[in-house]
Amino acid sequence: SAVISQKPSRDICQRGTSLTIQCQVDSQVTMMFWYRQQPGQSLTLIATANQGSEATYESGFVIDKFPISRPNLTFSTLTVSNMSPEDSSIYLCSSFNLYGYTFGSGTRLTVV
Amino acid sequence: SQQGEEDPQALSIQEGENATMNCSYKTSINNLQWYRQNSGRGLVHLILIRSNEREKHSGRLRVTLDTSKKSSSLLITASRAADTASYFCASGDDKIIFGKGTRLHILP
Repeated sequence: SAVISQKPSRDICQRGTSLTIQCQVDSQVTMMFWYRQQPGQSLTLIATANQGSEATYESGFVIDKFPISRPNLTFSTLTVSNMSPEDSSIYLCSSFNLYGYTFGSGTRLTVV
Repeated sequence: SQQGEEDPQALSIQEGENATMNCSYKTSINNLQWYRQNSGRGLVHLILIRSNEREKHSGRLRVTLDTSKKSSSLLITASRAADTASYFCASGDDKIIFGKGTRLHILP
């Protein structure tokens, strides 16, 4: 299965600022996804990152708050915009190919 | 919204005992997966069971699937301290949705 490199692994950010998280996959993958995991909770799907077109967002998530890019079949970014303490979570990317799903190691974001 | 609901939400057992976690889901599925997450970080894929399978084994793991009841169970036999983690079921075709998870704690 694919291997994902996700960075940064953690960050502490000031409220009102933005953070961009990157995921690099070691092979071309069909699909990439972004999840949020709030403290003590399960993973919630934010959006599907589509190559060459706008991401598909799940209910409750909007592009202005979580802009996503996917310029090619191996790379995607998620930006958490205008952050507030409520955005403190772990953010994970995931990829899917013929061999199944793979997850990045996550970005632990703390907003102060 | 989440597809699966696990129970129990938390489970503490003695090392060496078996741990059973259950997952119920709402819509029809083609397959169901179980994942482990240590310390709120990356996910480890444990096992996938297809809708036409009733039981699957992998080492100390046994997964069952009952599509008529829309439920699955994960059994970990002879638990070890290293099994302490959160366990999630997940399902979906073009995207996977996670259940709420079970936090398993193995007591020494």
